[in-house]
Amino acid sequence: NAGVTQTPKFRVLKTGQSMTLLCAQDMNHEYMYWYRQDPGMGLRLIHYSVGEGTTAKGEVPDGYNVSRLKKQNFLLGLESAAPSQTSVYFCASSYGGSGVPDTQYFGPGTRLTVL
Amino acid sequence: KNEVEQSPQNLTAQEGEFITINCSYSVGISALHWLQQHPGGGIVSLFMLSSGKKKHGRLIATINIQEKHSSLHITASHPRDSAVYICAVNNHDMRFGAGTRLTVKP
Repeated sequence: NAGVTQTPKFRVLKTGQSMTLLCAQDMNHEYMYWYRQDPGMGLRLIHYSVGEGTTAKGEVPDGYNVSRLKKQNFLLGLESAAPSQTSVYFCASSYGGSGVPDTQYFGPGTRLTVL
Repeated sequence: KNEVEQSPQNLTAQEGEFITINCSYSVGISALHWLQQHPGGGIVSLFMLSSGKKKHGRLIATINIQEKHSSLHITASHPRDSAVYICAVNNHDMRFGAGTRLTVKP
């Protein structure tokens, strides 16, 4: 099993460009999450999904959109990138089926720089 | 004020020392997590607990729900324990501390 994978690992964008980050998990998890990690700050939740076809806003959703068309994939989109979106992005997944908090499994991260 | 506060921010220890990292939170929670982030960036879940104490190898995590406080202990520390340790709590969603950077010197 690959666990949680993220594509790409690194990306440099110019202000105003768009891109999509892909997260894939092979553990049949219901819940998936997108976080950003900035120096000196904890991970912050951008958006999450509790199942195929569902998405919800987290703590810092502005400037991002997400889609969960397939259970195993969770896409994070930046329509018009801004320098403030320079960060390391982590995807995570958890079982979620029991309705109680679960261990989250993290992807390796995507380092995004917006010039 | 952050909902999850960790101390210390940075910690340097000699190999073999007993390590304690603290986490305090200000919200009601259903569970607390300890995570380890390796120098390469990967994040691994160490513990999830909602009461009492858990032990895995040289790592011990405790939580006091009444005091809203948790500690992560590492016994007989080793250079390979060098990493950032992150405390996170489940409220409506997950909220994370800023992390404690641990360096263990040989």
